Amino acid sequence: SQTIHQWPATLVQPVGSPLSLECTVEGTSNPNLYWYRQAAGRGLQLLFYSVGIGQISSEVPQNLSASRPQDRQFILSSKKLLLSDSGFYLCAWSGRAGVNTEAFFGQGTRLTVV
Amino acid sequence: AQSVTQPDIHITVSEGASLELRCNYSYGATPYLFWYVQSPGQGLQLLLKYFSGDTLVQGIKGFEAEFKRSQSSFNLRKPSVHWSDAAEYFCAVGDSGGSNYKLTFGKGTLLTVNP
Repeated sequence: SQTIHQWPATLVQPVGSPLSLECTVEGTSNPNLYWYRQAAGRGLQLLFYSVGIGQISSEVPQNLSASRPQDRQFILSSKKLLLSDSGFYLCAWSGRAGVNTEAFFGQGTRLTVV
Repeated sequence: AQSVTQPDIHITVSEGASLELRCNYSYGATPYLFWYVQSPGQGLQLLLKYFSGDTLVQGIKGFEAEFKRSQSSFNLRKPSVHWSDAAEYFCAVGDSGGSNYKLTFGKGTLLTVNP
């Protein structure tokens, strides 16, 4: 069966520090991968999606970047965190048909920038 | 652009009572519609989805939802709520017209279940 792993579960980082959140998927090949951010009372916002190694699409301009160095690995990064980067970050994957079939979410990372 | 509105931020029901969570969408064509549930500090799990056909769809955990095109609604229902249903519920719409990479989510409805 397919599983998605996301770590760390919680993270407290000072303003201006770098960030690296990692997500890996097991049990499937060539998934579409997604990073979402969830702010309190604001639902989920799609940040990035990827349809293949090295292929990243950004949905919103921001202080973050994403990379896909391997087929089932998706990394969310920042060189210098801002207070506004605090939130709950969710990684997700879907089959090649996309999210209109089903998206599968990781457990999330709670990021607090102090 | 597509959008989703969940009018109720927080709903409290008693265990055993019926439940209806409202969802209205804005989309130019027939959308792909979803309900996801999120337990505290966890990821999202798909409850049910609608693409076409029968407008009443059944999902997991005893949930169902009805697509009403005339009202642009996709309300989630459960006849008898269990304490374990306490969670946050998100309605989402997918783009049936081209991009299959983007889900647009509502802001969520937090469900509290009283014993």
